[in-house]
Amino acid sequence: KAGVTQTPRYLIKTRGQQVTLSCSPISGHRSVSWYQQTPGQGLQFLFEYFSETQRNKGNFPGRFSGRQFSNSRSEMNVSTLELGDSALYLCASSLREPTNEKLFFGSGTQLSVL
Amino acid sequence: GENVEQHPSTLSVQEGDSAVIKCTYSDSASNYFPWYKQELGKGPQLIIDIRSNVGEKKDQRIAVTLNKTAKHFSLHITETQPEDSAVYFCASRFNDYKLSFGAGTTVTVRA
Repeated sequence: KAGVTQTPRYLIKTRGQQVTLSCSPISGHRSVSWYQQTPGQGLQFLFEYFSETQRNKGNFPGRFSGRQFSNSRSEMNVSTLELGDSALYLCASSLREPTNEKLFFGSGTQLSVL
Repeated sequence: GENVEQHPSTLSVQEGDSAVIKCTYSDSASNYFPWYKQELGKGPQLIIDIRSNVGEKKDQRIAVTLNKTAKHFSLHITETQPEDSAVYFCASRFNDYKLSFGAGTTVTVRA
């Protein structure tokens, strides 16, 4: 079974631009979570989707948004990029639903904002 | 929101020795506590998890203990090997859909 796939692997953007990251969960998983990982802040929860519905959102500004499609693939978008948005963005899908236990993470998208 | 503190931030052990990482959480309603291992260039990988109705769980060389009264839980790795070198994260779940992570522990196993 293929794991969680995130694309692209690396991104370089400049301040003010917007970016879209993609995540394909493990086949059959309907829950997708997004986390931001930075050296100083660890992993911070962004949002979680289950069957195309956002069930929970973390404490991030409205510039961060996401969605989930009917095939469970998910995208997250960051608009008006700031230098502080540079981070590894991780996507995870859950084996155990609907409690969202046993998350399986992708390798992440490394975003650099210049 | 839930706050998870993790100690130590770095840990160096001799191959064959044991490693212990400790975490504390703030919300007594937290009910699920996973541990993740992250190797360089990869996403975190679940290595063991425990629910609040269980005090201890073991899987080969890895064990997790939970003290609900004190609101802390620990990861124990016995007979450490070089491949155990990685960053380890603890996490707790306050509500059903999100995890709060500790800041991570970088474990180095010296040969």
